[in-house]
Amino acid sequence: AQSVTQPDIHITVSEGASLELRCNYSYGATPYLFWYVQSPGQGLQLLLKYFSGDTLVQGIKGFEAEFKRSQSSFNLRKPSVHWSDAAEYFCAVADSWGKFQFGAGTQVVVTP
Amino acid sequence: GAVVSQHPSWVICKSGTSVKIECRSLDFQATTMFWYRQFPKQSLMLMATSNEGSKATYEQGVEKDKFLINHASLTLSTLTVTSAHPEDSSFYICSAKQASGSSYNEQFFGPGTRLTVL
Repeated sequence: AQSVTQPDIHITVSEGASLELRCNYSYGATPYLFWYVQSPGQGLQLLLKYFSGDTLVQGIKGFEAEFKRSQSSFNLRKPSVHWSDAAEYFCAVADSWGKFQFGAGTQVVVTP
Repeated sequence: GAVVSQHPSWVICKSGTSVKIECRSLDFQATTMFWYRQFPKQSLMLMATSNEGSKATYEQGVEKDKFLINHASLTLSTLTVTSAHPEDSSFYICSAKQASGSSYNEQFFGPGTRLTVL
């Protein structure tokens, strides 16, 4: 069975600073990896996804993620955060049937 | 991109009543839909997998008699919370998987339904 670990429950970052959110996964086959963002009371918005190919994936809102098979990681990065990036971020892995396993989430707080 | 809607977006009901939540794929056909539950400040937990025309598959620990799922068409799945109690209060999110012509494992999430049971 797949599993996802997001080690950081909460991250505080200054506006304009860089951001990195960690995600480690466990899955027996080729993983299908995703990052979603959720604002309070809202649904999920897909930031980016990795199925195969180039291990550096570009997403929306200036986010990128790098798949590292050797480390079983799929960390999310943004070079310069904006106040509007404050939200909950979820890493997820899906199996071949489309069943998602979500990480616990990382709450990002952006300070002025 | 493909759009998934949920109705209602929020609902308040009395304890003991039943509540139905709809999940619709607006511009594509979905043979498979998934239902998730999210408690405050927690992650999404898969409740069940809904396949069009067949019985839903429930995850361990989810009461199938309490959470009735019907996937009667390729664009609609419903989740009925029967005899709701305050502990069923949660954010319910559905996702829909495109039937064909889509990227592998492409799924689209609905905006969620906030259920509050008094």
